[in-house]
Amino acid sequence: EAQVTQNPRYLITVTGKKLTVTCSQNMNHEYMSWYRQDPGLGLRQIYYSMNVEVTDKGDVPEGYKVSRKEKRNFPLILESPSPNQTSLYFCASSFRPRAYEQYFGPGTRLTVT
Amino acid sequence: GENVEQHPSTLSVQEGDSAVIKCTYSDSASNYFPWYKQELGKRPQLIIDIRSNVGEKKDQRIAVTLNKTAKHFSLHITETQPEDSAVYFCAAPYSGGGADGLTFGKGTHLIIQP
Repeated sequence: EAQVTQNPRYLITVTGKKLTVTCSQNMNHEYMSWYRQDPGLGLRQIYYSMNVEVTDKGDVPEGYKVSRKEKRNFPLILESPSPNQTSLYFCASSFRPRAYEQYFGPGTRLTVT
Repeated sequence: GENVEQHPSTLSVQEGDSAVIKCTYSDSASNYFPWYKQELGKRPQLIIDIRSNVGEKKDQRIAVTLNKTAKHFSLHITETQPEDSAVYFCAAPYSGGGADGLTFGKGTHLIIQP
């Protein structure tokens, strides 16, 4: 089954404690992206990757890091989380970035206290 | 980059009535316009998309229309049913300033009243 998976689905952590949210897709997509969803603000892009070892900033990259060492995986790293990073995070993948369906993961609900 | 405005933010309609959600975009070069539906607690999923070489596309009770001159596109849902209750996002492509992908509207919460 074609899918995008994320782990963990729910995470409560404290300010400053490094965390990683994993994302994996099995569709051989070149393009992957991370979004955060906040009430009234819609989906905002954090980082994206056009292919292995190629990553770039989206609209709200501050406080986040990513890596793309393998085509299927695109982890999101928060090295020192802060309360303003409390949000719902979605990973997505697509054949191409701008003209094809994006497949979203199930989401990760992060709370930073 | 692309700027996508979506209206209304909340839409309440009676079951069986039609619903229309509108989006405007800023980049005249944009050529792909998808609509995503997000049910409560679920991930966004593509429900319909349109490319700039057509003005309208239908899929059963949903349709999307595109006006390239005015730079706006709309989602139309006819004979609304309870399962249509969800948040709907429009999107348009963008590239530039280091960014590449889709810009999403802020979403419309569609409520179907029984």
